[in-house]
Amino acid sequence: ILNVEQSPQSLHVQEGDSTNFTCSFPSSNFYALHWYRWETAKSPEALFVMTLNGDEKKKGRISATLNTKEGYSYLYIKGSQPEDSATYLCALTQGGSEKLVFGKGTKLTVNP
Amino acid sequence: DGGITQSPKYLFRKEGQNVTLSCEQNLNHDAMYWYRQDPGQGLRLIYYSQIVNDFQKGDIAEGYSVSREKKESFPLTVTSAQKNPTAFYLCASRMTGDTGGDGYTFGSGTRLTVV
Repeated sequence: ILNVEQSPQSLHVQEGDSTNFTCSFPSSNFYALHWYRWETAKSPEALFVMTLNGDEKKKGRISATLNTKEGYSYLYIKGSQPEDSATYLCALTQGGSEKLVFGKGTKLTVNP
Repeated sequence: DGGITQSPKYLFRKEGQNVTLSCEQNLNHDAMYWYRQDPGQGLRLIYYSQIVNDFQKGDIAEGYSVSREKKESFPLTVTSAQKNPTAFYLCASRMTGDTGGDGYTFGSGTRLTVV
């Protein structure tokens, strides 16, 4: 069974703090790594899809990096704001598979 | 606006009854997916369909059935054979042939409770 691990499980930070969390996955047969933000009572929203080793993507204050050789991705949030509070999901597809396999998520709470 | 509509938002079912969850998209996406969320677990894939009139089992298909008669619609039936049906169900879609590009688009989910 394909296993995608996210850490930490939850995180509380103060407004203005920068933070990061990790997604670990099997490096064999890698195809694509997805990051989603899931706010309470809303639909998960795609942040990034990364396919190449060394990829770095940025959207406003949020950025992500990818290391397919060692099987991890980092998500960074610079200067966290209360509206960044959400669960951040990481998901993986392997070559030849249509399945997107999710980690359990990191729940971020940003206190004003 | 284009998107995915899931209905109803909340659903109650008596034990032993089948129930169908609706998922409709107007994004012209080829592929559609059903996921289930339980407390403390990641989203788990129930069924997926890459094209009309074709679908495949995901990781936890037992006790569920689907159909894909139209590109826009991918209803999920939770049958009485599903032993623990109480959960949150999410539908998603994407264009096939897309390496992932913009990622999947998700609906807002249906919370099913068996009473």
